[in-house]
Amino acid sequence: DGGITQSPKYLFRKEGQNVTLSCEQNLNHDAMYWYRQDPGQGLRLIYYSQIVNDFQKGDIAEGYSVSREKKESFPLTVTSAQKNPTAFYLCASSMGQGNTEAFFGQGTRLTVV
Amino acid sequence: QQQVKQSPQSLIVQKGGISIINCAYENTAFDYFPWYQQFPGKGPALLIAIRPDVSEKKEGRFTISFNKSAKQFSLHIMDSQPGDSATYFCAAPPSNTGKLIFGQGTTLQVKP
Repeated sequence: DGGITQSPKYLFRKEGQNVTLSCEQNLNHDAMYWYRQDPGQGLRLIYYSQIVNDFQKGDIAEGYSVSREKKESFPLTVTSAQKNPTAFYLCASSMGQGNTEAFFGQGTRLTVV
Repeated sequence: QQQVKQSPQSLIVQKGGISIINCAYENTAFDYFPWYQQFPGKGPALLIAIRPDVSEKKEGRFTISFNKSAKQFSLHIMDSQPGDSATYFCAAPPSNTGKLIFGQGTTLQVKP
């Protein structure tokens, strides 16, 4: 089955901790994206990567970090510098060039406790 | 910077009615105009998309209308059903930067 897999589905973090959200795809897609979704806020772009070993900041990158060491993987770390991390996080991938279908994972719901 | 503006933010329609969601874009270099559908707790999925060489595309009860001069595209859901209740996003990817930007989303509720 081809697709994009996010894990875990639910994640709880204590204040001051860093946590890493996993995103893996077996679609052979070049481009991968991380979005944050809050109620009434739509999808806001955190980071994106068009190719291995390269990534760009999106609109709300502060308090987050990413890596793209392998084509299939694009993990997102939510650092303690992110003051309001409770949200629904979505990972997506596409063939790139900006004009093809994006495939989304099922999301990770992060809650600060 | 918001390059895609979507309206309305929420929409309530009676079963059998027509749902219309609008999206306005700024960058004339856009050449692919998709709509995504998202159910609660799930990731969005592509619903229907259009390229600017046509003014309308229909797939079942879903139609995209594209107005190049007005820089707008719309999603029409005919004979709306309670199962269509979801959040809908338009997107417009700036092809030069590789960013994939979404509209603010429209929450549709279809009442039985």
